[in-house]
Parts: sequence; C-alpha cells; structure tokens
Amino acid sequence: KQEVTQIPAALSVPEGENLVLNCSFTDSAIYNLQWFRQDPGKGLTSLLLIQSSQREQTSGRLNASLDKSSGRSTLYIAASQPGDSATYLCAVRPSGAGGTSYGKLTFGQGTILTVHP
Amino acid sequence: SQTIHQWPATLVQPVGSPLSLECTVEGTSNPNLYWYRQAAGRGLQLLFYSVGIGQISSEVPQNLSASRPQDRQFILSSKKLLLSDSGFYLCACLRDLTSDGYTFGSGTRLTVV
Repeated sequence: KQEVTQIPAALSVPEGENLVLNCSFTDSAIYNLQWFRQDPGKGLTSLLLIQSSQREQTSGRLNASLDKSSGRSTLYIAASQPGDSATYLCAVRPSGAGGTSYGKLTFGQGTILTVHP
Repeated sequence: SQTIHQWPATLVQPVGSPLSLECTVEGTSNPNLYWYRQAAGRGLQLLFYSVGIGQISSEVPQNLSASRPQDRQFILSSKKLLLSDSGFYLCACLRDLTSDGYTFGSGTRLTVV
C-alpha cells in the first residue's frame, strides 16, 4: 500500500526566503506526482505535475523535482511571499491498475506554510 | 476545461440525520469522478470513485455511500450520520485516464453535532 509522507508538517518563514518542502513515498511504481496548494476552507489548486519519466518541473518561482528510485520529491519555492501562505499537498498517482486504470491519488498530510511580512 | 460545482459549502447536521452532498461537472463528458474526505489535521482520503454512470467503487468501509445517476453528477449520501463523519469533503474530476489534470470542487465542510 502506497504511503506518502510530507516533512515538515508546518513551516513559518520571513518573506523573501527560499524554502524546500519534502515529500516521500513508499512505492516507486508511480504514474506521476503532483503538488497542490490548498487555501483554508477551499479546494485544491494544482501547482506542478511531474511524470514518472521526468526529473523536474518549473512554474514561475516554483520548482519540483522527482527522484522516483529513492521515493522522494521536493518543492522549492523561491523568494517566498505572504501570498504563498497555504497548505501544500503532495499526491502520487500509481502506475498500473488503480492509477492509470482508475486515476486514484494518494495524498500526504500536507505542509502548512506561513510566510510573514 | 472542466468546472466542478459542489454544494453546500457548509453543513451542520445532527447525529442520526441523513446526508446528501452533490457534485456536478461541466466542460467534459464521461469523466472519472472521486469523493475525498479531509479530516482535521489529516490528509485527503479517497472514499469513492466512479468511472461511469452507475459504477461506484468504495475505497474504505464506512457509513457513507455514493451514486452516479447521470454522467456528470456524483452524490455522496448517508442514511444516519455519525460524529466521525465530520470533515471536509471534496469532489474531484479527471477528464479521462490518459489526462493528468485533476479538477477539484470547492468542498463542503460537514460538522456532525
């Protein structure tokens, strides 16, 4: 059974800092890995998606890397801003039946990020 | 791109009362649909998924059920709510299994009292 762990559980940083959020997963048979953002009481917004054959993806100040063999992904946020404050969720879609067949995601518990001015 | 409408946004229900949460999808046909629950301080847990009308698969044993009476309608129900059913419920859509982009609804905050 796939398990996804995110470290740290919470992070508080001053504005302008570069930061790294970590995600690890136990089963390397993945189809892709996604990073989502969740604002309090809201749904999820997709930030970055990395296919199993890719090593990293970038969007603006965000960069996500994937090391499938070691079961790890990192989300790097450059020059953090107060507007980046949110919960960041990592989700893995498995390969084979359950993943490509049914599209089921396994989520980590998230990292609560607070960026203060 | 697809859009998910999910309602109500907030719901407070007494223990033992019934539940019906509805999710409708626009902008795509025959999507894969999912119900997730997020309990306080915990990650999202997949409850049900559906690959077509009338086709429901349950991921965890529980007090809830799901139905898909129409292609773009997904309903989460309970006959008698328990305190442990409290949480944040999210509906999600995947256009097809070859696509990557999930769309999530805005969620329903359910408090059972």
